[in-house]
Amino acid sequence: DTEVTQTPKHLVMGMTNKKSLKCEQHMGHRAMYWYKQKAKKPPELMFVYSYEKLSINESVPSRFSPECPNSSLLNLHLHALQPEDSALYLCASSQAPVYNEQFFGPGTRLTVL
Amino acid sequence: GQSLEQPSEVTAVEGAIVQINCTYQTSGFYGLSWYQQHDGGAPTFLSYNALDGLEETGRFSSFLSRSDSYGYLLLQELQMKDSASYFCAVRDNAGNNRKLIWGLGTSLAVNP
Repeated sequence: DTEVTQTPKHLVMGMTNKKSLKCEQHMGHRAMYWYKQKAKKPPELMFVYSYEKLSINESVPSRFSPECPNSSLLNLHLHALQPEDSALYLCASSQAPVYNEQFFGPGTRLTVL
Repeated sequence: GQSLEQPSEVTAVEGAIVQINCTYQTSGFYGLSWYQQHDGGAPTFLSYNALDGLEETGRFSSFLSRSDSYGYLLLQELQMKDSASYFCAVRDNAGNNRKLIWGLGTSLAVNP
């Protein structure tokens, strides 16, 4: 299995809602990432988990809360988001410590009303 | 600062060859990667160069010159399906070597 899966594909939420994005990989990768991508821009790193521990937080607002329950799963909990948080949220994984080749999931298209 | 420069747009015709250049300025260097992203899709890894020279994978090749802080992606026998955005990325080792620094992307349009 060489696939990273993400759910849901699309999400519309109000600014007071709480929702979660889910990501799963079964490639045995020990590094997992959350990226945010706006249209016509490169992916913007948010968080990195290495061996299930948070290793990088790119000064992301606390309304985004990551969680890595085990080596295959990565969640992103969302609360009190702003309309400017609307974007494509991408999960990726790679074989630690090789980080140049990252495998991306299809993304969750998030709209905040 | 750390930055990567690549052309914003490139246009070519089917069957042609196109080269997308990338110059980088980073505090450390652990290799240059290339990713392809179709509209509405996710980035897909294409290639990685850690050492100087040319790496070939089918119709795509990637080149690196570390002394010039420069690399390129060469796409041969262009097909319509190659229309996509192409990103170069360098692995950063400043303080923490677990992230990529991404270029702004090159939008490639392949015309009939």
